[in-house]
Amino acid sequence: QLVESGGNLVQPGRSLRLSCTASGFTFGDYFMSWFRQVPGKGLEWLALIRSKPYGETIEYAASVKGRFTISRDDSKNIAYLQMSVLKTDDTAVYFCGRSIGVGNAFDIWGQGTMVTVSA
Amino acid sequence: SYDLTQPLSVSVALGQTATITCGGNNIGSKNVHWYQQKPGQAPMVVIYRDTNRPSGIPERFSGSNSGNTATLSISGAQAGDEADFYCQVWDSSANWVFGGGTKLTVL
Repeated sequence: QLVESGGNLVQPGRSLRLSCTASGFTFGDYFMSWFRQVPGKGLEWLALIRSKPYGETIEYAASVKGRFTISRDDSKNIAYLQMSVLKTDDTAVYFCGRSIGVGNAFDIWGQGTMVTVSA
Repeated sequence: SYDLTQPLSVSVALGQTATITCGGNNIGSKNVHWYQQKPGQAPMVVIYRDTNRPSGIPERFSGSNSGNTATLSISGAQAGDEADFYCQVWDSSANWVFGGGTKLTVL
C-alpha cells in the first residue's frame, strides 16, 4: 500500500514536503508519481520518478516545473514531493501512485493528503 | 500538449450498458487506461492498455480504442458503479495526461 503524509495548511510563498510511504511490495521496482485533485475537479499528474534501472529519471508537468521536486529513497521505501513558492491554486488533495515500466497504468494509489494554501 | 476530451456526464438505466468516450488526436496509437473514482476515495484502475481488466474488476467493464476515440463500456450497470471515470494516456511531449472526467449516474 501507499500512504501519503505531510499535508497541511500553509501560507502562500512557503514550502511543504509530502511523503509517500510504501509497504508490501518491492518499492525500488516501481516508477512513482504524484498527482493532485482540487476538490470537485479532475485529476492532474504532477511528477514522475522512474526506478533505478531506468536511471531514476524525472519528468514534471509544466504547471509545477521549477517549483516542485520529486525524489525517492529506496532504502526507506519513500517518495517525496518538495513543493516551494506555494500558491493558493496549489490547494488540493495530493495523491501518490505506482506504476511499473513505461506508460503503464497506476495500479496502487495512496488515500491522499490535503494541502491548503491560504493566508 | 495533448488533450483528452470526455463528456461531463453520462446517465444509464439500471441494468443497461453505459458508454464513456475519451477523444484525442490519434488516440488509437496510444495505450489508454481508465480509472474509477468514488467520492472520498483514490482512483482505481478498471481498464489498462485499452482493453485489459485488472484482477478483481468485473467482466462487465470493457474497453476499446481506435482512431480518435477510446471507449469504456459498463454492461449491466449497477448502482455501485456510480462514480467519476477518467481516461489517461502517456504522451511523449506532455507526459501523463488525464481526460477531464465523466460522472456516471445510474438511474
